Amino acid sequence: SQQGEEDPQALSIQEGENATMNCSYKTSINNLQWYRQNSGRGLVHLILIRSNEREKHSGRLRVTLDTSKKSSSLLITASRAADTASYFCATGGGADGLTFGKGTHLIIQP
Amino acid sequence: SAVISQKPSRDICQRGTSLTIQCQVDSQVTMMFWYRQQPGQSLTLIATANQGSEATYESGFVIDKFPISRPNLTFSTLTVSNMSPEDSSIYLCSVEIDRVLAFFGQGTRLTVV
Repeated sequence: SQQGEEDPQALSIQEGENATMNCSYKTSINNLQWYRQNSGRGLVHLILIRSNEREKHSGRLRVTLDTSKKSSSLLITASRAADTASYFCATGGGADGLTFGKGTHLIIQP
Repeated sequence: SAVISQKPSRDICQRGTSLTIQCQVDSQVTMMFWYRQQPGQSLTLIATANQGSEATYESGFVIDKFPISRPNLTFSTLTVSNMSPEDSSIYLCSVEIDRVLAFFGQGTRLTVV
């Protein structure tokens, strides 16, 4: 079942601007992950944040997690054309596999 | 990390036929996962495949429609049987490292006409 809900569903910004995507989930989690998908191909793992963490950085990516609100955000700073992709949050893992959110389609305008 | 080779990358098939998708991993893994991504949608787990046992299917997916093989720890196949246009989707295989971090094949884009 789809646990995560991302918003916005689509986002178009100018190159160089920051992009923020949000994800909400319904059940308790041990961790939350963000993945990127280029043009309907395979997903690439971006970052994982554990339930006891509030913020995590990786390069131009910043992820926050608010377990009290059951929400997470992904911030991409100084966006580039190559960041154009769909971004998904995911929870779970292990024998039950991952449960993905609906995704945000990000378009970076040159 | 894990490198996954998935093929075919895309196919156009006639309704009523079947397509088998192959997934090869560069290391031995206990569990492999098959997902479906319908046009413009997110990923939905079809089944989990363990070597030496029957695959475990999620609600809404059945073995007769999506038979899965897992002959060894590096290989799995998913067959989409008796296809209809509603089966047009991207199918992706995945493995997890440390029970969390997922690696994906490049996907199979299936169009049923």
